[in-house]
Parts: sequence; C-alpha cells; structure tokens
Amino acid sequence: NSKVIQTPRYLVKGQGQKAKMRCIPEKGHPVVFWYQQNKNNEFKFLINFQNQEVLQQIDMTEKRFSAECPSNSPCSLEIQSSEAGDSALYLCASNLTGEDYAEQFFGPGTRLTVL
Amino acid sequence: GDSVTQTEGQVALSEEDFLTIHCNYSASGYPALFWYVQYPGEGPQFLFRASRDKEKGSSRGFEATYDKGTTSFHLRKASVQESDSAVYYCALGDPGAYKVIFGKGTHLHVLP
Repeated sequence: NSKVIQTPRYLVKGQGQKAKMRCIPEKGHPVVFWYQQNKNNEFKFLINFQNQEVLQQIDMTEKRFSAECPSNSPCSLEIQSSEAGDSALYLCASNLTGEDYAEQFFGPGTRLTVL
Repeated sequence: GDSVTQTEGQVALSEEDFLTIHCNYSASGYPALFWYVQYPGEGPQFLFRASRDKEKGSSRGFEATYDKGTTSFHLRKASVQESDSAVYYCALGDPGAYKVIFGKGTHLHVLP
C-alpha cells in the first residue's frame, strides 16, 4: 500500500481565498507529481518535481497555482485565489524515477471545495 | 497529443461474471501502458503495466495484453467479486514527459 501522505484530507474555502495542501512522498521517492481530478474522474496533470527542481508543469497562465518541494519539508500546492472551478480532488503521487514506464504511488488526495 | 479512450463509463455485473473493459490509446512511439484502480475515498492504485507489444500484464486475477496493432490494452477478469467494485483507469506513460495520461475511467459495479 502507498505511503504517500496528503494533508488536509478536506479543505473548504471561499472564493478568493488561498488554499494550500501538502504532500509527503513515499520514503526514498525523489519524484513528486500533482494531479487535479474533477467530479467526472478526469485527471489533469499539474506539475512534477525531481527533488526540488520542476521537471514539467502545465502552462499555468492563470498564475493562481504555485507549487514547491523544498528540501526536508513537505511538498505543497497552493492556489492563491480560489475559484469555484477549482473544486476538485488534488492528488499527489511519487515514484523513484519519473520515467514514463514507472508506476506512480498516489496519496488519498485533498478534496477542495470552493464555496 | 497522446490520449487514452475507455469505451465504457459504467459496467454492472453480477459476481462470477466475466469482465472486459475496453481501452484504446493514441500515441507516437512505444508508450508504457497501465491499469490503475481507485476505491472510494482513496487515490488510484497501480494494478499492472505492460511495456512492449504482446506483453501481458496481470495482478489479482486481472490481466491485459499490449496490442500495438490495434492500439489496445483491454482489461479482463474471468470471475469478478463484489470487492472488485471500483473505478478502473487505463493510462499511458507519456514518453519523455515524466507524466501519465489517464483515461476517463470505468466505474465497475459488482452485485452480490
């Protein structure tokens, strides 16, 4: 079973508020991924890191999303000004290599509701 | 861009029925193909993978064979149980892109 830890499990914010969620990857996994899963179960890749460096990210043209994976601290994903359309399950995953053939280990997710 | 198509959005079966969930992919090159399963309140769990043509992946009685000719990776199980009720996702590893592309999922309901 995966040992990726995500906190909080549930997050409720008003529109315009900041929303921050954290992820501790499985021990020994240097690669971390963030996905957004909407109510239709569709996944949207957001960003991934290898150690502290960004490997790839979507074009965050809205600039409301930011993420980091500092050394010796949990990774985090923050939405600067939440919108109703941001309501979703935010999934963190980790693995050893980040290569396309490697399975990813997912946490339980943070369910964000924006009122 | 690369994509994964799962034909069935929902499948309802009785225990001991045979299961098939169809998955087709569109990708350049030779992507790794995966099946993941997601239970309520949990994140997706890796089920198995196949990386080359005609390779069969399997786990917990589920299996799928990589077919490059038909660009398919259909999930099958000979006899489902109520505990198999979950959402199943077909996925492909995006070569060189360090991410996985998921299909829209198939919700399997197994009735006792």
